[in-house]
Amino acid sequence: GAVVSQHPSWVICKSGTSVKIECRSLDFQATTMFWYRQFPKQSLMLMATSNEGSKATYEQGVEKDKFLINHASLTLSTLTVTSAHPEDSSFYICSAREGFDNSPLHFGNGTRLTVT
Amino acid sequence: GQQLNQSPQSMFIQEGEDVSMNCTSSSIFNTWLWYKQDPGEGPVLLIALYKAGELTSNGRLTAQFGITRKDSFLNISASIPSDVGIYFCAGTTSGTYKYIFGTGTRLKVLA
Repeated sequence: GAVVSQHPSWVICKSGTSVKIECRSLDFQATTMFWYRQFPKQSLMLMATSNEGSKATYEQGVEKDKFLINHASLTLSTLTVTSAHPEDSSFYICSAREGFDNSPLHFGNGTRLTVT
Repeated sequence: GQQLNQSPQSMFIQEGEDVSMNCTSSSIFNTWLWYKQDPGEGPVLLIALYKAGELTSNGRLTAQFGITRKDSFLNISASIPSDVGIYFCAGTTSGTYKYIFGTGTRLKVLA
């Protein structure tokens, strides 16, 4: 149980284009999903909290106009990297929480974004 | 953003040896989670801890929620090659639903 699917697993795009990453909870409903970014050999840094039916909450220093988050249903959240630049290249990982506030996070397999 | 300090940063061990790692915070935490991440993949939940002093096992893995609520420990007994990876702790503090992640412990096993 508690499976989170993330798609695509990797993507290469040209500078200036936009990329959408999907995160789905397959066997549970997730009122809250979290988007993380991970640089090589570093820890996971929280970018934003995605709440179903409401606006996402962004962490300090994360540009909300660049990283658009939509949590349209209890099983789907999307992250769109707009006008991507090479410095946006990174490993993006989503996670979903099934129940109460401190229930564990279940992670997708991540998306490797490379902007050329 | 805020991070938890994990120790050691990395370690090489012989197959069959026991492994210990810990995670410390300057704040009191309500929940501790331990994850393992393989290269190019998302973290996988190993153990969740919810009460100070709690000791929980998952196969060869055992984790403890520190009594002070400012630390947690993970032990791996009789390590095997597939234990290779990065281990992260994560925790939440009172009044927040967001998990903060540790700096990670990179484990390498020598066969």
